[in-house]
Amino acid sequence: QKEVEQNSGPLSVPEGAIASLNCTYSDRGSQSFFWYRQYSGKSPELIMSIYSNGDKEDGRFTAQLNKASQYVSLLIRDSQPSDSATYLCAVRSSGNQFYFGTGTSLTVIP
Amino acid sequence: EAGVAQSPRYKIIEKRQSVAFWCNPISGHATLYWYQQILGQGPKLLIQFQNNGVVDDSQLPKDRFSAERLKGVDSTLKIQPAKLEDSAVYLCASSLVRSSGRATDTQYFGPGTRLTVL
Repeated sequence: QKEVEQNSGPLSVPEGAIASLNCTYSDRGSQSFFWYRQYSGKSPELIMSIYSNGDKEDGRFTAQLNKASQYVSLLIRDSQPSDSATYLCAVRSSGNQFYFGTGTSLTVIP
Repeated sequence: EAGVAQSPRYKIIEKRQSVAFWCNPISGHATLYWYQQILGQGPKLLIQFQNNGVVDDSQLPKDRFSAERLKGVDSTLKIQPAKLEDSAVYLCASSLVRSSGRATDTQYFGPGTRLTVL
């Protein structure tokens, strides 16, 4: 079983729509959860971190965490073509190790 | 503020050869990470340093991979001998350390070194 699992996609949404990205993790003791964005040929860039159950909003991005279900999601509102990238879910485990998912490729269609 | 620097940016070698990658973290960042990212996959943590000590190297294939951070600043990652499956982008990242001694969660990634093993 992988530590962090994501649907690889690709996910396509029209410009202006909401993109929903999902992630599950296996270590129930994990406390820190992250979403990174990675443009093709570039390095990952942190866009959101979340530590408590519930929602955390930052501009057009909302991260949602449900520790009971071991589930993390990222919503991107008013999606723009510039949001087209691979979105990586990452988790800091109870052993203080970082694990990344395989990423979900998002394409926003103008 | 300068970002994380890595060199070389690209490297092509034959299998069984050796290769080394260099990383210079952001000034003042005590924690340094090396990741391996195979095409189509997420980054996999190989080793984490805090200052010049190893915090975690549980996923480092120690029979062929080694890393050091002798003065707590720059770091080198070596592969000896390389295999075809080592073809990947090797990413270096750094982060600050809190007064508690624990690394902060925001990691800043360098541009990576793309390794091709033929």
